[in-house]
Amino acid sequence: AQRVTQPEKLLSVFKGAPVELKCNYSYSGSPELFWYVQYSRQRLQLLLRHISRESIKGFTADLNKGETSFHLKKPFAQEEDSAMYYCALSPRTSGGSNYKLTFGKGTLLTVNP
Amino acid sequence: DVKVTQSSRYLVKRTGEKVFLECVQDMDHENMFWYRQDPGLGLRLIYFSYDVKMKEKGDIPEGYSVSREKKERFSLILESASTNQTSMYLCASSFPAGSQGYGYTFGSGTRLTVV
Repeated sequence: AQRVTQPEKLLSVFKGAPVELKCNYSYSGSPELFWYVQYSRQRLQLLLRHISRESIKGFTADLNKGETSFHLKKPFAQEEDSAMYYCALSPRTSGGSNYKLTFGKGTLLTVNP
Repeated sequence: DVKVTQSSRYLVKRTGEKVFLECVQDMDHENMFWYRQDPGLGLRLIYFSYDVKMKEKGDIPEGYSVSREKKERFSLILESASTNQTSMYLCASSFPAGSQGYGYTFGSGTRLTVV
């Protein structure tokens, strides 16, 4: 069974500082990893997926299979980045119960002025 | 632009009532999911469906059931509501895993309070 761990429940940084939200996973196969974000009073939305190798709102995340990590990084945090961030994993297969995402418990990021 | 719609934003029900939470998506997604979101516990999967009339239990199915009679609609049913089912309920839909557009689209959530 797969597991996603976000070790920090809360993370507070100042505007302009670098930010890194940690995500570690356990899965025996080849996973697909995601970051989802939920801004205050908004619905949960996809931020980025590792397979796309894209940068969204200045955030990047690299899949490190050796360390089984998928940390989310941004070099200069902005106040509007304050939100709840969830890391999620999907087995990269098809069929039946393998469709579902497993989410971490989330990290609440606060960017102070 | 709303693509996953949950019928109620806030709901208050009494203990023992049968509760229906409705979710409709207009993206022709095969997969649909029900999660509950609780502080400190993150998102926990209740049930999911990868086809019409198909359903599979998630991590916390006890006290819940689901119905998927049409591709676009996925209903969550609390057979006899209890106070420990007070929570935010999130519906999501997606294409199959491995497809190019894979990723969940979430509804705005239903905050259910059982008194």
